[in-house]
Amino acid sequence: EPEVTQTPSHQVTQMGQEVILRCVPISNHLYFYWYRQILGQKVEFLVSFYNNEISEKSEIFDDQFSVERPDGSNFTLKIRSTKLEDSAMYFCAYWGSGDQETQYFGPGTRLLVL
Amino acid sequence: QQQVKQSPQSLIVQKGGISIINCAYENTAFDYFPWYQQFPGKGPALLIAIRPDVSEKKEGRFTISFNKSAKQFSLHIMDSQPGDSATYFCAASRAQGGSEKLVFGKGTKLTVNP
Repeated sequence: EPEVTQTPSHQVTQMGQEVILRCVPISNHLYFYWYRQILGQKVEFLVSFYNNEISEKSEIFDDQFSVERPDGSNFTLKIRSTKLEDSAMYFCAYWGSGDQETQYFGPGTRLLVL
Repeated sequence: QQQVKQSPQSLIVQKGGISIINCAYENTAFDYFPWYQQFPGKGPALLIAIRPDVSEKKEGRFTISFNKSAKQFSLHIMDSQPGDSATYFCAASRAQGGSEKLVFGKGTKLTVNP
């Protein structure tokens, strides 16, 4: 079982609206990531976050996107003005040791922009 | 150079058969190669991973073969079962460390017929 929960599990929004996706770690983790997966396509890296700072971001992660960890617990991805092409599954991931040291993915948030 | 190319796109295998999925990369800085399994509506889950200092790694029915000179690696699923029906993604990163993003292949949808 992943050690993060993501809320909401599904969200439908109108184009141009702001959405906030949340990732809540169960244990203390240092590295967090957001990835997205457009339906039927590969998983794409958006941004990595370490020690409350962005450590790397992709070209997808433009000015419409932001991440923060406002209360030291929740890890959020904000999309300021959603576009139709933002419709995708958004996965939070963390670096953990588990059975292996690797990135472990949360269950995802399905975002649909109408 | 950041791409990981995966084939085939889909694969149908009879129960008990061998499933083989291939991946190729160009970036010689990649140093960690995990395979993820994804069921519909779920996040990717680590299946097995390999570092380039070994040519093969086996865990139960799952084996990764790695050819460093050819920059190719493959997943073999022995005695394939209907429960193995899922989408499989190969991935690569520059290190097995929290700071490195994963670059995913496009995925292979495996169907194992009973």
